Amino acid sequence: AQSVAQPEDQVNVAEGNPLTVKCTYSVSGNPYLFWYVQYPNRGLQFLLKYITGDNLVKGSYGFEAEFNKSQTSFHLKKPSALVSDSALYFCAVLTSDMRFGAGTRLTVKP
Amino acid sequence: DAGVIQSPRHEVTEMGQEVTLRCKPISGHNSLFWYRQTMMRGLELLIYFNNNVPIDDSGMPEDRFSAKMPNASFSTLKIQPSEPRDSAVYFCASSGPFVTEAFFGQGTRLTVV
Repeated sequence: AQSVAQPEDQVNVAEGNPLTVKCTYSVSGNPYLFWYVQYPNRGLQFLLKYITGDNLVKGSYGFEAEFNKSQTSFHLKKPSALVSDSALYFCAVLTSDMRFGAGTRLTVKP
Repeated sequence: DAGVIQSPRHEVTEMGQEVTLRCKPISGHNSLFWYRQTMMRGLELLIYFNNNVPIDDSGMPEDRFSAKMPNASFSTLKIQPSEPRDSAVYFCASSGPFVTEAFFGQGTRLTVV
């Protein structure tokens, strides 16, 4: 079955430090991978996607993600975290439909 | 475009009542998804339409749940009869026509008492 996994329920970082939110995938064939962010009482907002091409994908709000085929990973990164980045982050894979990971709650402390 | 529009934003109903959630996808999108989000189960895909045709409804919990897409600009998710365990936030999302990200509505928070 096509799926993504987010091994961490919670990630805590200090403001100004780099952040990484992990995602691994299990897909037959070429994966189409996405990251979304959810703020309280809001719908999911698209951050970035990997379809093909460059393994380093840049997205909204200074986020980027690196596609690693050998490790079947698509980790979300940001060089310098902001308190306002605190939210719930979802990794997703698109095959015939879109399947989401369980989500990782990112908390950035001042 | 106003994005994916869901109504109502909040719904409180009594157990046993029928509930209908509505969704207007983004114009031009040909895929529509219904998701349910709870603390316990996270974000679950309930059903997926492509060109108004249900493609995969394996995520629909039971026969009490039904979804329709009578045309490209409207979809409904109905629960009849509703139960307290149906309480959740229900999201509609649309995408397409090519390999693109899904755009989400603001969600409907359903509370069944």
